Amino acid sequence: DAKTTQPPSMDCAEGRAANLPCNHSTISGNEYVYWYRQIHSQGPQYIIHGLKNNETNEMASLIITEDRKSSTLILPHATLRDTAVYYCIVRATGFQKLVFGTGTRLLVSP
Amino acid sequence: GAVVSQHPSRVICKSGTSVKIECRSLDFQATTMFWYRQFPKKSLMLMATSNEGSKATYEQGVEKDKFLINHASLTLSTLTVTSAHPEDSSFYICSASVSSLKKETQYFGPGTRLLVL
Repeated sequence: DAKTTQPPSMDCAEGRAANLPCNHSTISGNEYVYWYRQIHSQGPQYIIHGLKNNETNEMASLIITEDRKSSTLILPHATLRDTAVYYCIVRATGFQKLVFGTGTRLLVSP
Repeated sequence: GAVVSQHPSRVICKSGTSVKIECRSLDFQATTMFWYRQFPKKSLMLMATSNEGSKATYEQGVEKDKFLINHASLTLSTLTVTSAHPEDSSFYICSASVSSLKKETQYFGPGTRLLVL
């Protein structure tokens, strides 16, 4: 079963920052927080992941709370192409499987 | 990021026939690959974990004799849906694990849409 809780849907205006929350209150010490997104009829796309420090790459930033019980994915300047279902997943490393929850459907509007 | 391909991208077959789907890691070697299935408006559900050179590990409720998985090389895993029926119609997606200097990540293929008539 998925170990995360996400809002089912969110809206964002084009050009604004999209902040997607995720609760993972039962996360273990060796589990990372992964974020993927799935655009309609495509395979999931890796976005970012982290353990306890905040992470940033060319796609997004990941902010993890100090107690690691929640995190926020930030898309700094959302575009229409960022409309997708975003999945927050917690998982240990070591080639373990990913368990997908229901994710957040982000709609970016003009 | 690493590239994973799938072939075919979509396939239509008659009920009772078998269909093979290929998953390839194009620019890296993958000892572990995963197969998922996704029904319309639903999330991805893991079917099995494919390990190079050994038998696949199937999730509970997934019939191993119906969904044959072969991982014969470090860049190729195949999923064969045997004696397909209309209820097997779905979006099948594979992923492969890759390790970089400090992190291990899974990358997904584009998916294969199967329609069984």
